[in-house]
Amino acid sequence: NAGVTQTPKFQVLKTGQSMTLQCAQDMNHEYMSWYRQDPGMGLRLIHYSVGAGITDQGEVPNGYNVSRSTTEDFPLRLLSAAPSQTSVYFCASSYSPQGRGEAFFGQGTRLTVV
Amino acid sequence: AQTVTQSQPEMSVQEAETVTLSCTYDTSENNYYLFWYKQPPSRQMILVIRQEAYKQQNATENRFSVNFQKAAKSFSLKISDSQLGDTAMYFCAFMKHSRDNDMRFGAGTRLTVKP
Repeated sequence: NAGVTQTPKFQVLKTGQSMTLQCAQDMNHEYMSWYRQDPGMGLRLIHYSVGAGITDQGEVPNGYNVSRSTTEDFPLRLLSAAPSQTSVYFCASSYSPQGRGEAFFGQGTRLTVV
Repeated sequence: AQTVTQSQPEMSVQEAETVTLSCTYDTSENNYYLFWYKQPPSRQMILVIRQEAYKQQNATENRFSVNFQKAAKSFSLKISDSQLGDTAMYFCAFMKHSRDNDMRFGAGTRLTVKP
């Protein structure tokens, strides 16, 4: 099984550009989440989804959009990239809320906004 | 809002010895989950151990065990017989018992196991 696959692994954007970070899982998990990891701050939740067609905001949602049209895919869109969005982004999935089921993480996308 | 605090930014331990990583959290919830995740240089997030707050018994997974003190809101991780492969960032995380997926992480402790 591939597990959770994130693409790309690395990306450099110019300020103001938009892009989509892709996340796909092949485990038929209902729950998916996006986190960002910044030095000295651990992981912070951006958006999450409890099933196809259902999304909600996490701790730091500003500047990001998500959609969940299928169970497998949960893309994260940066609308107008800013240097403050330079970070490592992780996608995670689980068959139930992560408290009751193990969360599986992708390998991360390192994004630099110049 | 729930907060998670890891007060040790860096720690080191000699191979084969025991080390304890500290974590405290703040919540008004009674039912919740606590986790320790390991992040090696590969960047992959790996679940080490999980504790359910309603269970009084401390969780153990091979060389990894926790000391869960609910009243003190403390959740420390003990690694016994440390191995070089244990070198990594370790994150403590909290999640309340609800349908949402809001997991809160501490800032992490960088552990180095020395030969």
